Amino acid sequence: IAGITQAPTSQILAAGRRMTLRCTQDMRHNAMYWYRQDLGLGLRLIHYSNTAGTTGKGEVPDGYSVSRANTDDFPLTLASAVPSQTSVYFCASKRQGAGGGEQFFGPGTRLTVL
Amino acid sequence: GESVGLHLPTLSVQEGDNSIINCAYSNSASDYFIWYKQESGKGPQFIIDIRSNMDKRQGQRVTVLLNKTVKHLSLQIAATQPGDSAVYFCAESSGAGSYQLTFGKGTKLSVIP
Repeated sequence: IAGITQAPTSQILAAGRRMTLRCTQDMRHNAMYWYRQDLGLGLRLIHYSNTAGTTGKGEVPDGYSVSRANTDDFPLTLASAVPSQTSVYFCASKRQGAGGGEQFFGPGTRLTVL
Repeated sequence: GESVGLHLPTLSVQEGDNSIINCAYSNSASDYFIWYKQESGKGPQFIIDIRSNMDKRQGQRVTVLLNKTVKHLSLQIAATQPGDSAVYFCAESSGAGSYQLTFGKGTKLSVIP
């Protein structure tokens, strides 16, 4: 693994189903983030984690939950998917102590909720 | 709420010319202002950032200018190449230690060979 990986690459999901998007990084970055990107809009922050064991809410957290059991993994769960959660989801990470705006992004998961 | 936005949604530039992408922001308390590049089907890629107490910062073929008086951010790309074709997002960083990013909507840059 080099950088950030996300799984699955894409998924079609029936409304009401539970879904977990996986994110793994091998850079030992402390901070991790989940964003969603909708057509015509920029990325919006869903949840973040400054370090293992802690999480926080971003701009659009409703309908999503996260956990951070260790440094490398930051899964995003949709407990009961709705069509408005159709989007492209990006996971990102940031090096501890690094100021500035540099975050490293994964390739994304394209999710369609029908 | 406060937001980061863009003046131009699309920009077409001749190969070899310089490109200028503009962005307006409203949150004066942000620590950093950043530019990301996103190619089709990929995640955003960091280009350059500038701290709020600076006016200008240069990288390889790119320059970011920050005008705090009018709350304006710009990205200049010198000698634009076909590989520069992408969507460019400005973003601002805030959140005391968590460095949360707030993104603008993006500008699509098309390079004409």
